[in-house]
Amino acid sequence: EPEVTQTPSHQVTQMGQEVILRCVPISNHLYFYWYRQILGQKVEFLVSFYNNEISEKSEIFDDQFSVERPDGSNFTLKIRSTKLEDSAMYFCASSGTGSNMNTEAFFGQGTRLTVV
Amino acid sequence: AQSVAQPEDQVNVAEGNPLTVKCTYSVSGNPYLFWYVQYPNRGLQFLLKYITGDNLVKGSYGFEAEFNKSQTSFHLKKPSALVSDSALYFCAVSPYSSNTGKLIFGQGTTLQVKP
Repeated sequence: EPEVTQTPSHQVTQMGQEVILRCVPISNHLYFYWYRQILGQKVEFLVSFYNNEISEKSEIFDDQFSVERPDGSNFTLKIRSTKLEDSAMYFCASSGTGSNMNTEAFFGQGTRLTVV
Repeated sequence: AQSVAQPEDQVNVAEGNPLTVKCTYSVSGNPYLFWYVQYPNRGLQFLLKYITGDNLVKGSYGFEAEFNKSQTSFHLKKPSALVSDSALYFCAVSPYSSNTGKLIFGQGTTLQVKP
């Protein structure tokens, strides 16, 4: 069964450092997403990406965040200067095919980001 | 504002008994509704969805959910709970007819099934 894969599973970084979280979405999906789950809180939408550009972003997704699909298979989330409050589990997801745009989202296992 | 509410932080049931995890939503238009499950240190796994049609939808692992438009609810149910069903359950809604992966999540309900 196809799946979304994320690397690394756990990332520890110092405050102020840049981090890049990586994801390989399901190959025939057209929409890509990043979500965040702070410990003990609900899963929050960050950004969606379609046709090589951001289609929607939340208030959380400020100028410190950026996304990229550098090579047609990977989908990355970059945080330029991490803050303590960026510590969370980050989930990548993908959905939608050419024949059915209304598929459910498939989520990766997540990357736990710890900012120290 | 669009939102999803799961009124119970935790639901406790005995193995073999029926279970219900509640979800209500507030979204304009016709929403797409989903249930996901999260096991410890794992990602979100899709259980089932309601797009249109029959109000009772069946999903993975014997779970089902009933869409009630008048009550704006989408409660998750299972006739006979298993200990292995113990996990964190999220209700989610997509207010879009496309881009259905853009989801608004409830706060989650921990299901504890005791032997």
